[in-house]
Amino acid sequence: QKEVEQNSGPLSVPEGAIASLNCTYSDRVSQSFFWYRQYSGKSPELIMSIYSNGDKEDGRFTAQLNKASQYVSLLIRDSQPSDSATYLCAVRTNAGKSTFGDGTTLTVKP
Amino acid sequence: DTGVSQDPRHKITKRGQNVTFRCDPISEHNRLYWYRQTLGQGPEFLTYFQNEAQLEKSRLLSDRFSAERPKGSFSTLEIQRTEQGDSAMYLCASSLTGTRNTGELFFGEGSRLTVL
Repeated sequence: QKEVEQNSGPLSVPEGAIASLNCTYSDRVSQSFFWYRQYSGKSPELIMSIYSNGDKEDGRFTAQLNKASQYVSLLIRDSQPSDSATYLCAVRTNAGKSTFGDGTTLTVKP
Repeated sequence: DTGVSQDPRHKITKRGQNVTFRCDPISEHNRLYWYRQTLGQGPEFLTYFQNEAQLEKSRLLSDRFSAERPKGSFSTLEIQRTEQGDSAMYLCASSLTGTRNTGELFFGEGSRLTVL
């Protein structure tokens, strides 16, 4: 079992719809959770971080964390074609390194 | 330039040759990470430094791989006797520690290695 698992996708949604991306992790001592966006041929860039149970909203993005279920999700509202990318879930313990999932590729169709 | 820079951006080499990549982190960041990424996979952790100390190295990492950060600033990643399976994008990232440490990694553009 991989430490961080994501829906392999690809995920396709129409422009203006809500995109839902999911991630589960295996290490219960994980403390910090991140969503990175990676455009094709580019490096990952952070879009959301979340550290406590519940929801965290930033513009069109909402991250949700449930430590009891070891589950993290990312919702993208009013999806735009520019949101088309691979979304990487990353989990960090206090030790400092982040472990990444294999990503979910999202395509937003105009 | 305030970002993470990596050099070279592309490297093509023949199997059995040695290669070295360099990473210059954001100047005030004292943590530096190396990851490897292949097509369709997420970044795979290789090793990380806090200042000049190498704090962790992946158990899956071959002895052919070595990394250094001699003065706590730039870092080098050397791969000896390259194999075709080493072909990948090598990503460097840096971050802060202490009270300003949010855990966010700032990535460079990567060094793409092709082993023929």
